[in-house]
Amino acid sequence: GAGVSQSPSNKVTEKGKDVELRCDPISGHTALYWYRQSLGQGLEFLIYFQGNSAPDKSGLPSDRFSAERTGGSVSTLTIQRTQQEDSAVYLCASSLGNTASNQPQHFGDGTRLSIL
Amino acid sequence: GNSVTQMEGPVTLSEEAFLTINCTYTATGYPSLFWYVQYPGEGLQLLLKATKADDKGSNKGFEATYRKETTSFHLEKGSVQVSDSAVYFCALRKGTGNQFYFGTGTSLTVIP
Repeated sequence: GAGVSQSPSNKVTEKGKDVELRCDPISGHTALYWYRQSLGQGLEFLIYFQGNSAPDKSGLPSDRFSAERTGGSVSTLTIQRTQQEDSAVYLCASSLGNTASNQPQHFGDGTRLSIL
Repeated sequence: GNSVTQMEGPVTLSEEAFLTINCTYTATGYPSLFWYVQYPGEGLQLLLKATKADDKGSNKGFEATYRKETTSFHLEKGSVQVSDSAVYFCALRKGTGNQFYFGTGTSLTVIP
């Protein structure tokens, strides 16, 4: 079956531009997560969505970062006025929700973002 | 709070050597524990999991046992191969809710 799909796989843009990253979770997964992985670093949690509940935005590094999840499925992560330190791989993951706490996350292949 | 601590890398081993990557956790309640692997140029993949104390997760020759008394979930493999070269992440999921907590990852390189 289809896994988590992210697009684009690579994005190169100039400093100051806005970027949108897309994530299609696995069908039926109510929880969706965004992480950032900088070169040689671990996973930095950004935000997660659970069904129709208010998202947990506690990991967003600045107000230039925002995310939406429309219809409980597809999510977009938007970075406004990009800076060079935003360069990283942005990973999306999905999982079954609260009733299945032993279920793992399933990750997409990520979007490699490079800010010139 | 909840957190995961992994041994720092990088780790370099010869083929067929024994591997241990240490992972300890701090958590409230009864978390589930996971090991993820990230091969070069790829996304994270679930390697194995354990959902309660004394459970042993296993996959591809790797094993990890959920030790509640020592709050540990160490990853082991008896004989590593070059193809095991990757970054390994330990993670926990709280017993309630959806939040996951990841370690910083341990890079493993296996040389022929």
